[in-house]
Amino acid sequence: GESVGLHLPTLSVQEGDNSIINCAYSNSASDYFIWYKQESGKGPQFIIDIRSNMDKRQGQRVTVLLNKTVKHLSLQIAATQPGDSAVYFCAEYLKAAGNKLTFGGGTRVLVKP
Amino acid sequence: EAQVTQNPRYLITVTGKKLTVTCSQNMNHEYMSWYRQDPGLGLRQIYYSMNVEVTDKGDVPEGYKVSRKEKRNFPLILESPSPNQTSLYFCASSPNPRSSGGSFTEAFFGQGTRLTVV
Repeated sequence: GESVGLHLPTLSVQEGDNSIINCAYSNSASDYFIWYKQESGKGPQFIIDIRSNMDKRQGQRVTVLLNKTVKHLSLQIAATQPGDSAVYFCAEYLKAAGNKLTFGGGTRVLVKP
Repeated sequence: EAQVTQNPRYLITVTGKKLTVTCSQNMNHEYMSWYRQDPGLGLRQIYYSMNVEVTDKGDVPEGYKVSRKEKRNFPLILESPSPNQTSLYFCASSPNPRSSGGSFTEAFFGQGTRLTVV
């Protein structure tokens, strides 16, 4: 598969534990913030988004928290599974710029059995 | 099946030899974009298009061209590739936000094209 990041921060987590991935963003004007998952050899895949006027949103096994005061975004994955092993990117979404996504550098999550 | 298709998946070429990476989507999306992905830098937008015959520069457009003659296709053109364009390239498409009442519309990514310029 493709190597998408040779020097990425890595989070090692035991299967069944919860994972927390953090991200700092820069543009306060962003309309939404999104988390993407990228598995080896594939393109980024949408996980969950949160509108800029919200501070929490829950999906299936995932929760995104947005702290606009410190420009911080986090993704919590409950009961991490081997299939969660991937690189995770946060992205800022700006509708006015052609649905532009500005991505962070990514975090590699390794799930240990 | 709804998808974004890029070709080729892998390409090795020499400096200065013009090449085109094709991108096609079957979801009738208005918006399409090209990104490049480099280690530790995430994905950076090269060009985007908000509709047929409407294209605009992203963050790293130098050395690239695009065209949008029809809705489904958005080719990326490297007129004179250089080694610093060695990268992993992704095409993405998404609906116009107007279709969702102005809300976020998810971008669908292709499988990627690994380009090596020697």
